[in-house]
Amino acid sequence: GAGVSQTPSNKVTEKGKYVELRCDPISGHTALYWYRQSLGQGPEFLIYFQGTGAADDSGLPNDRFFAVRPEGSVSTLKIQRTERGDSAVYLCASSPSDPANYGYTFGSGTRLTVV
Amino acid sequence: AQTVTQSQPEMSVQEAETVTLSCTYDTSENNYYLFWYKQPPSRQMILVIRQEAYKQQNATENRFSVNFQKAAKSFSLKISDSQLGDTAMYFCAFMKLGNNDMRFGAGTRLTVKP
Repeated sequence: GAGVSQTPSNKVTEKGKYVELRCDPISGHTALYWYRQSLGQGPEFLIYFQGTGAADDSGLPNDRFFAVRPEGSVSTLKIQRTERGDSAVYLCASSPSDPANYGYTFGSGTRLTVV
Repeated sequence: AQTVTQSQPEMSVQEAETVTLSCTYDTSENNYYLFWYKQPPSRQMILVIRQEAYKQQNATENRFSVNFQKAAKSFSLKISDSQLGDTAMYFCAFMKLGNNDMRFGAGTRLTVKP
């Protein structure tokens, strides 16, 4: 596609529920990144994929968070047993394998609200 | 670990004037990249400008330029001839050479006043 697409744009869920957030990267971009942005803060790194594999998942806060990218394109961020502290904007970005020249291309994010 | 610090939570500037946003970072690396991103209310982060640490020349993109001081670990963004559309959050970011994950500062909210 022309840009990075994230769905849904907004998600409200009840505490304890399971949610899935989807990211559709730019076609041909081998690297895909997930960030979490809390209100008034900068994006916080969660995980990045190179192809189908997670190259670095050191930013995932705990085992309730999991992400997959089974075919090296679309990725899903999964959050189990959601807590109110999980409320944030979840940003996805993609890049060529070496992003140094162009940086990342970001989507518009999914705003997750846990009530 | 690398940290990025933006010490100005909010800034404002009159339309057509010049404003400088500050950024400092902490790293033991010699080769890395620095970026400024803009985030308007639409939430989408937009790349404004990038700088390679091994280049001494400051990067420039139209009205946007940087003052990169490697020894001081400082990377400020200058916006000339400010426009109303420049109103946004601005984030400074660091990326180590060969390591894809980008680390961001807390941001500066810039308001351009008519």
